[in-house]
Amino acid sequence: EAGVTQFPSHSVIEKGQTVTLRCDPISGHDNLYWYRRVMGKEIKFLLHFVKESKQDESGMPNNRFLAERTGGTYSTLKVQPAELEDSGVYFCASSQVRANTGELFFGEGSRLTVL
Amino acid sequence: SQQGEEDPQALSIQEGENATMNCSYKTSINNLQWYRQNSGRGLVHLILIRSNEREKHSGRLRVTLDTSKKSSSLLITASRAADTASYFCATVSTSGTYKYIFGTGTRLKVLA
Repeated sequence: EAGVTQFPSHSVIEKGQTVTLRCDPISGHDNLYWYRRVMGKEIKFLLHFVKESKQDESGMPNNRFLAERTGGTYSTLKVQPAELEDSGVYFCASSQVRANTGELFFGEGSRLTVL
Repeated sequence: SQQGEEDPQALSIQEGENATMNCSYKTSINNLQWYRQNSGRGLVHLILIRSNEREKHSGRLRVTLDTSKKSSSLLITASRAADTASYFCATVSTSGTYKYIFGTGTRLKVLA
């Protein structure tokens, strides 16, 4: 069974450009999470989808970030326009059951560098 | 701010020694989980301990949970070079939405 896959693995863009990160969760996993880790700091929660619905987007930094999960399958996270402080590693994770019983399965992350 | 705080930030030990890392949190939790991240890879789930449990074992891993002190510890016994990684605790709150809160992690280096 395929795990959580993320694309691209690394993206280098100029400030002001747009980047779209994609996450394919494990098939059948209703829960999908986005996290970000900046420069060795904590792994910070961004948002949580249950199927196609945003359950919690309290961690989204600002309106330059837009996450979608059309059809409840893969998800995209768009940053437009990108700023220097957006650099970091963006992780996607998925789980099948409600969080109080389940482990998260992580992708290997998308490293974003904004110059 | 994130509520998971791991301690120490970095730990270097010799192969065969035990490694202990701690995690403190702030709110009431449903469960606490530990994850490992090898350099450049994704996080991998290690063990989950529920709020009504005090200790749990899995292979060379031992996790304790003290809800009165809002803290947990992860003990890796007889460490191996392959245990070199960053270790994170994640908490799931009893209130609000089901989001996992991670900390800054402990970087463990096991010297052969």
